Amino acid sequence: EAQVTQNPRYLITVTGKKLTVTCSQNMNHEYMSWYRQDPGLGLRQIYYSMNVEVTDKGDVPEGYKVSRKEKRNFPLILESPSPNQTSLYFCASSSTGGGNTIYFGEGSWLTVV
Amino acid sequence: DAKTTQPPSMDCAEGRAANLPCNHSTISGNEYVYWYRQIHSQGPQYIIHGLKNNETNEMASLIITEDRKSSTLILPHATLRDTAVYYCIPHTNAGKSTFGDGTTLTVKP
Repeated sequence: EAQVTQNPRYLITVTGKKLTVTCSQNMNHEYMSWYRQDPGLGLRQIYYSMNVEVTDKGDVPEGYKVSRKEKRNFPLILESPSPNQTSLYFCASSSTGGGNTIYFGEGSWLTVV
Repeated sequence: DAKTTQPPSMDCAEGRAANLPCNHSTISGNEYVYWYRQIHSQGPQYIIHGLKNNETNEMASLIITEDRKSSTLILPHATLRDTAVYYCIPHTNAGKSTFGDGTTLTVKP
């Protein structure tokens, strides 16, 4: 079954404590992306990756890092989380090129206190 | 990346067709128009996409204007389970993708 898997699904952490949200896909997709969604708003892109070792900033990259060492994995790293990074996070993947469906993970609820 | 304009909310009676408009006047030639929906806070669900021609699948129909500056998603027989936020997104799957705030569709009995 085609899947984008995120972990953890729910996390409460403290300001400044580094954390990583993992994302893995089993569809051999080149394109992967991270979004955040705040209450009542649409998804805003944080970072995206066109392939292994190729990453680029989305609309709201500040405070986040990503890496793409393997095709299937695209972890989101918060080096020093702050309360304004409390949000719902989604990972997504697709094949590159137009006309390909984007698959989304189930989301990770992150609370920074 | 193209910007989109969608009405913030719409209502539809159960069993009737729901027509959701989207303006994407700055869409570039290689961007497809994708439609997704999000129910509560679940991951967005793919509905349909198109480049130039109208498209239909088991979920919906997509009408794209000839100049490609706008499109309409049609849910032919809306059910209560179609209540969701609907997003229209021009995208190439090769770079940035920008979600607007979408249209909240409420299907009423």
